This record gives sequence, C-alpha cells and structure tokens, in this order.
Amino acid sequence: GQQVMQIPQYQHVQEGEDFTTYCNSSTTLSNIQWYKQRPGGHPVFLIQLVKSGEVKKQKRLTFQFGEAKKNSSLHITATQTTDVGTYFCAGSAYAGKSTFGDGTTLTVKP
Amino acid sequence: DTGVSQDPRHKITKRGQNVTFRCDPISEHNRLYWYRQTLGQGPEFLTYFQNEAQLEKSRLLSDRFSAERPKGSFSTLEIQRTEQGDSAMYLCASSPQTSYEQYFGPGTRLTVT
Repeated sequence: GQQVMQIPQYQHVQEGEDFTTYCNSSTTLSNIQWYKQRPGGHPVFLIQLVKSGEVKKQKRLTFQFGEAKKNSSLHITATQTTDVGTYFCAGSAYAGKSTFGDGTTLTVKP
Repeated sequence: DTGVSQDPRHKITKRGQNVTFRCDPISEHNRLYWYRQTLGQGPEFLTYFQNEAQLEKSRLLSDRFSAERPKGSFSTLEIQRTEQGDSAMYLCASSPQTSYEQYFGPGTRLTVT
C-alpha cells in the first residue's frame, strides 16, 4: 500500500533560524496536504498542492510539490515560538483516502 | 461554532465492552473521514464516507470496528469487544466536495483498561 515518509522526525531550532521538513511518497500522488498539530490539539489544515512543481507561500511558510508528484517540502523562514508543533503531510493518490506521514515535531528555543 | 464536533471527548472503558463515538461534520461537507492516532504517529486512516455511502475501509480495521453515516450528516464509529490496543485518539474530519482539504474535530480519547 501507499506509504508516506517524513524527515526529520524531530527538529530543534533557535528562534530566528529556518526549518525544513521533507515528505516522500512511495506512489505518485494526485495531491498533497499539509497540516499542523499543536501539543494536545488536533491537526489543522494549512495548504493543499495539486500541480507538479507547484510552489505556494503563506507568509513565512513555503510549500513545494515535486515535479514527479512524489515528494513535497515545507520551509519556514525565521522561526518563531508560535511555530512549535508537529507538521504532517498527507498524500492522496485518488479522491478519498489520504495517507499521513508520522510528522516532524518542531521545537523553537527563544 | 460551525466546526467539526465529536462526542464524547473522553471515554474510559473496560476491556471487552462496546463503545460508540459520534461525529458531526461541517454542515455543507459531504465527505467524512475517521482516523486513529497514537502518540508520536500520524493519523491512521480508518474509513471514508461520501454522503451516506461508505466508500473505503482500511484493511487494518478488524471486523470489531464499524461506522455508519445513515443520512449523510453525522456519523458514528462503534468498537465492539474493546481491547487495550484500541486505546488511542479517534479523530473525525470532513471535507467539501470540491477539495481534499480536511477539517478535523477535537477527537475522542479512548482508554481501555
């Protein structure tokens, strides 16, 4: 079955440093979504990427979808303490089921 | 609040008992998903509805698990003869017809003793 892998599992940064998490799928995806989950909270939708090579930005966050539609990345510029949490990617090969990675947990030291 | 709601938020049960959880999606969303999440893991897909039709069910899901969405609105997830390994957070999410983005509820935390 489809597998989605994320690296790294944990990332500790100093406030102001950049952060990147990578997502790789074992199969070609029709779309990929990114979610953020704060400690004790539930996943919150951030963005969806559909097109090959697509790049989207949300303020300090930049999301990329690979040309082969099998990988994606999330980059945060100049991290802030409000960025702490676990970032998940979720890939769909077709309409319906999404497969989530195990996430990258970001901690930010002030 | 017009977000996804789940009830109960917490459930403690003894091994062998049956439990039922409810999810109320965002009203205009026709897709509804159930996931299970344990500490340090991402949400694990359980099942998916489009309106009242259950279109997909995880092969990992034993026949002790059943879900319904009788009128295409709220959904229930039942676990029969609970086991300690069923202890987890059970998440419900909904999405609109035109997009894959999913909006999650706060979850039901199940503890099986």
